[in-house]
Amino acid sequence: AQSVTQLDSQVPVFEEAPVELRCNYSSSVSVYLFWYVQYPNQGLQLLLKYLSGSTLVESINGFEAEFNKSQTSFHLRKPSVHISDTAEYFCAVSASGGSYIPTFGRGTSLIVHP
Amino acid sequence: DGGITQSPKYLFRKEGQNVTLSCEQNLNHDAMYWYRQDPGQGLRLIYYSQIVNDFQKGDIAEGYSVSREKKESFPLTVTSAQKNPTAFYLCASSPPGLASGELFFGEGSRLTVL
Repeated sequence: AQSVTQLDSQVPVFEEAPVELRCNYSSSVSVYLFWYVQYPNQGLQLLLKYLSGSTLVESINGFEAEFNKSQTSFHLRKPSVHISDTAEYFCAVSASGGSYIPTFGRGTSLIVHP
Repeated sequence: DGGITQSPKYLFRKEGQNVTLSCEQNLNHDAMYWYRQDPGQGLRLIYYSQIVNDFQKGDIAEGYSVSREKKESFPLTVTSAQKNPTAFYLCASSPPGLASGELFFGEGSRLTVL
């Protein structure tokens, strides 16, 4: 079985500052990794994913995440945040070769202040 | 447009009443899922179905029931046996051939039991 730990429940930051949301996972097999974003009272939307290949993956709105196998991490970063990035962010992991049902972290609330 | 439709978006019920939440998708996805979301607890899997007429319990199935009579539909019933049903419920699906665990979510249904 796999598990996900999001180390920060809440991350406050000022607009235009950089941000890192941390995610660590554990699994006995190879994994696929995901970041989802959720705006208030809405469903989750896929932000980016790592399936294979380059360990650095990027989203269309400036976020990036790096798969680090040795540290079992998949931290999400953005060099300059906007007010509109205020949302809940979920890290998820699924095990390759299994049922592929993802396990989600508890979420990190990113709060961007003007 | 293709997507997942959950209804109702908000629902209020008295304690002891059964409630059914609707989830319909027109994405031609085989697998469908129900998650429960509580503040600070992330998403927890209630039930999932990988094919019509078949479904499996997730991590917190007690007090819930589902059916999968059609590919497009996966309704969730919250029964009176569920001790703490007030929560945000999310339906999701995943397409055939995308063996990774990437999910597509509906907008959610917020159930409040009075």
